[in-house]
Amino acid sequence: ETGVTQTPRHLVMGMTNKKSLKCEQHLGHNAMYWYKQSAKKPLELMFVYSLEERVENNSVPSRFSPECPNSSHLFLHLHTLQPEDSALYLCASSQDGGGGEKLFFGSGTQLSVL
Amino acid sequence: GEDVEQSLFLSVREGDSSVINCTYTDSSSTYLYWYKQEPGAGLQLLTYIFSNMDMKQDQRLTVLLNKKDKHLSLRIADTQTGDSAIYFCAERASNYQLIWGAGTKLIIKP
Repeated sequence: ETGVTQTPRHLVMGMTNKKSLKCEQHLGHNAMYWYKQSAKKPLELMFVYSLEERVENNSVPSRFSPECPNSSHLFLHLHTLQPEDSALYLCASSQDGGGGEKLFFGSGTQLSVL
Repeated sequence: GEDVEQSLFLSVREGDSSVINCTYTDSSSTYLYWYKQEPGAGLQLLTYIFSNMDMKQDQRLTVLLNKKDKHLSLRIADTQTGDSAIYFCAERASNYQLIWGAGTKLIIKP
């Protein structure tokens, strides 16, 4: 079992669909993150949860809605997305969530919005 | 604002050394990181260096830090096909968040 598991690996959705991305960490960490990775661009931090409380939201559009029911699980709910939202969405976890410590990443969900 | 810059591609021959460069802007950075992303996978921490160090060596990897020029480099000795990946530079900024570069894709030629 890898440390951080993301499902699904690939997702194709229309602009009117609603879908969710799931992330689970088996490392006993207290912080979890969503990142957006687009080609030839720096990683964009979307959301940070520390001890299940959202501590960072980098001005992400409301069509992305995170949920952290416990310190091991993180969801990203998607609705009415735009084609420019197509990207690799990476989940990560860290021990404390103070920022800047060692991050452990999942393999990502490759999202295509048609 | 804070920024981290890297070249998008580097091509080297198998067995040669690879040097991936990165520049950053936050002079108060405390840690600088190199992450590796293999195809179809997430990022893995490769190595990091404290800002009060000039160099760190770990087997085939050598990290050099020039704080005056805000320049960080990663040298991979005896580059192998398994080193093919995207290498991301990141700095721990003064607000403790990570600022990422766009990644350098390392291409190995036989």
